[in-house]
Amino acid sequence: DAKTTQPPSMDCAEGRAANLPCNHSTISGNEYVYWYRQIHSQGPQYIIHGLKNNETNEMASLIITEDRKSSTLILPHATLRDTAVYYCIVRALGNAGNMLTFGGGTRLMVKP
Amino acid sequence: NAGVTQTPKFQVLKTGQSMTLQCAQDMNHNSMYWYRQDPGMGLRLIYYSASEGTTDKGEVPNGYNVSRLNKREFSLRLESAAPSQTSVYFCASSFQGNTIYFGEGSWLTVV
Repeated sequence: DAKTTQPPSMDCAEGRAANLPCNHSTISGNEYVYWYRQIHSQGPQYIIHGLKNNETNEMASLIITEDRKSSTLILPHATLRDTAVYYCIVRALGNAGNMLTFGGGTRLMVKP
Repeated sequence: NAGVTQTPKFQVLKTGQSMTLQCAQDMNHNSMYWYRQDPGMGLRLIYYSASEGTTDKGEVPNGYNVSRLNKREFSLRLESAAPSQTSVYFCASSFQGNTIYFGEGSWLTVV
């Protein structure tokens, strides 16, 4: 069973912020929220992860609600090269056997 | 720093042939993984190696064998390829089971 729920597709205008939502209502206390993206069958690219605090890096920001049941990935100024499938995944760390389970993801289309 | 490198990038096999996919990482990671991705689907874990000298089955291990050759290298072998193994294969690595980084993929077609 998928542990996360994402909209199947979203559009975003180039230069605008892309806000990708994810629901993970059954997340456990030791599970992190991870975001990856996959551009046209290339290898999945790690974007960002967090436990409960908001996180920001050079690629994106991650906003996690206080109850940790949902999160939002923000690409602040989307470009055409950000067109990809974005995966939200919950996973505990520290054990290689902890599955990285990919669901359907959100297909983000950035339009000129 | 190349990250995770896989070879070959493309391969066509006949049913029943064998082949080995090679993977190497230069990030000094101790854990390595092999995933497959079928068209329009998410990635599924075939096998993983938590550390040098250990290997474990993932979700879909049937028809595959793996070898953790050393800390850097983790190979995936198909002993008798079947059309159902037509897929894109991704190798990945992580440090202590933390953030996982992926290679660029190997496209395998079995005819």
